[in-house]
Amino acid sequence: GAVVSQHPSRVICKSGTSVKIECRSLDFQATTMFWYRQFPKQSLMLMATSNEGSKATYEQGVEKDKFLINHASLTLSTLTVTSAHPEDSSFYICSASLTVTGNTIYFGEGSWLTVV
Amino acid sequence: SQQGEEDPQALSIQEGENATMNCSYKTSINNLQWYRQNSGRGLVHLILIRSNEREKHSGRLRVTLDTSKKSSSLLITASRAADTASYFCASHSNYQLIWGAGTKLIIKP
Repeated sequence: GAVVSQHPSRVICKSGTSVKIECRSLDFQATTMFWYRQFPKQSLMLMATSNEGSKATYEQGVEKDKFLINHASLTLSTLTVTSAHPEDSSFYICSASLTVTGNTIYFGEGSWLTVV
Repeated sequence: SQQGEEDPQALSIQEGENATMNCSYKTSINNLQWYRQNSGRGLVHLILIRSNEREKHSGRLRVTLDTSKKSSSLLITASRAADTASYFCASHSNYQLIWGAGTKLIIKP
């Protein structure tokens, strides 16, 4: 079946540095990918919708200059957390839409980011 | 962004009993999906029910959808200890998934 791979699964970085998280659709082309973050004991929050070949659409309250999203190909979207701070520590999850209508969505395993 | 609502927030039952979780949403949808998340792990897709369907089964799972009430329920029958997890509903409208806050299910052996 369709698989979405996310890398790295865990990353620790120092405050002020940038971290890139990759989301790949392994056996299908995804025109749309979604990025979420999850705080402990809370539900997923949609951060942005990543569209191949165009700018990402960010949800209200998400800083697009801080969370850079690049969807350069039909199988890869990246989320870069720039100038990371401890409050950016979170669980980040991507998902990819299989069909044009987006009725089937597959999730990556998630990436734990810890900023120290 | 919007969030759906799930209840209960937490549910603790004995192994073998049935567990029912409910989800409400606010806008018209293409479909509604249920996911399971074990602690610290990614989401696992359980079942998808389309807006023109009223009930769907998958193994021990039964999902209902009432579009007039904008609500859905997930029933897990004959629960097992391994069913202990958080369960999330997500209402899908175009390219957005709108998530519920989740129900934490604990199955006591």
